[in-house]
Amino acid sequence: KAGVTQTPRYLIKTRGQQVTLSCSPISGHRSVSWYQQTPGQGLQFLFEYFSETQRNKGNFPGRFSGRQFSNSRSEMNVSTLELGDSALYLCASSWGGQATYEQYFGPGTRLTVT
Amino acid sequence: GNSVTQMEGPVTLSEEAFLTINCTYTATGYPSLFWYVQYPGEGLQLLLKATKADDKGSNKGFEATYRKETTSFHLEKGSVQVSDSAVYFCALPLYNQGGKLIFGQGTELSVKP
Repeated sequence: KAGVTQTPRYLIKTRGQQVTLSCSPISGHRSVSWYQQTPGQGLQFLFEYFSETQRNKGNFPGRFSGRQFSNSRSEMNVSTLELGDSALYLCASSWGGQATYEQYFGPGTRLTVT
Repeated sequence: GNSVTQMEGPVTLSEEAFLTINCTYTATGYPSLFWYVQYPGEGLQLLLKATKADDKGSNKGFEATYRKETTSFHLEKGSVQVSDSAVYFCALPLYNQGGKLIFGQGTELSVKP
């Protein structure tokens, strides 16, 4: 079974631009969550989608948004990029609707904002 | 509120040494608990889990026991290898909040030959 894939793996953007990251979950998984990982703040939850609906949202500004498609693939968008948005963005998929189900992480997208 | 606290790293050990990484949590109810591992340049992998009190999760020689009385889930391995060098995260799934995980700050382990 193919794992979680994320594209692109690396991105360099300029402050003020916007960016879209993509995540393809494991086949059959309906839940996709997104996390931001930085050296200073660690792993922080961004949002979670289940069957195309955002079910939970972390404490991030509205510049961070996401969506999920009918095939469970998900995208997250960051508008008006700031230097502090430089991070590793990880997505995770799971079969079920609760966090008690095992979550499988992708390799991440490394975003650098200059 | 819900939180996870891990011992700070980095932890440096010699090969075949005993490993303990402490993790304590604060949560409502009796959640499941996870340990994830992140190897350099990679995403997170689920290492082991426990779903109820006194459960012992184990995988690849690592073990962790869910202790409700001390709200702890310490990770142990009897004999570490160089290939165990990675960052280890304790994680708490939030009850009734879908896929949301609360992670500890991570503990970097470096094993020297």
